[in-house]
Amino acid sequence: QKEVEQDPGPLSVPEGAIVSLNCTYSNSAFQYFMWYRQYSRKGPELLMYTYSSGNKEDGRFTAQVDKSSKYISLFIRDSQPSDSATYLCAMRRTRADGLTFGKGTHLIIQP
Amino acid sequence: DGGITQSPKYLFRKEGQNVTLSCEQNLNHDAMYWYRQDPGQGLRLIYYSQIVNDFQKGDIAEGYSVSREKKESFPLTVTSAQKNPTAFYLCASSIGLDQPQHFGDGTRLSIL
Repeated sequence: QKEVEQDPGPLSVPEGAIVSLNCTYSNSAFQYFMWYRQYSRKGPELLMYTYSSGNKEDGRFTAQVDKSSKYISLFIRDSQPSDSATYLCAMRRTRADGLTFGKGTHLIIQP
Repeated sequence: DGGITQSPKYLFRKEGQNVTLSCEQNLNHDAMYWYRQDPGQGLRLIYYSQIVNDFQKGDIAEGYSVSREKKESFPLTVTSAQKNPTAFYLCASSIGLDQPQHFGDGTRLSIL
């Protein structure tokens, strides 16, 4: 079983829909969770950074962590064509550990 | 503008050659990282550096070397010992090892 699992997609949704992106993980020691957005031929851009369980909201984005289920989610409200990208989850055990990345989900927002 | 600059954007290497990828940051970050990204795979850590003149191997360091002589610069050399060097290479930096990492726009390396 891989440490971090992420459906590669593609996930295609109409503009304006609520998007749900998810990662599952096997290591219960992970405490810090991140979501990155990566456009084609570009580097990943940090979207959300959360610690432990709970929700965090930033504009149209909400990150949710359920440590009991080892499951994290990123919700995008009022999705736009410019949200079309690959979304990577990343996590680590302690503040000084290296990051473990998911493989990314390719999201397509249809105009 | 503050940021991380990777150059060149595209790089071609002949078999048996060493090549060096450049990474410069003007964010005054102490920590810097090199990752490799292959199609269908997550990012994998090659090397990281917490401070000047110090660096540590990541998960896939074999066939690579780095130096950290200046805070702003963390070049990566892909040596001829790296048997499968074709990949997208990403450099990142953070204020400290425990802070979120920010990425450059990558260098795509291909073998001729």
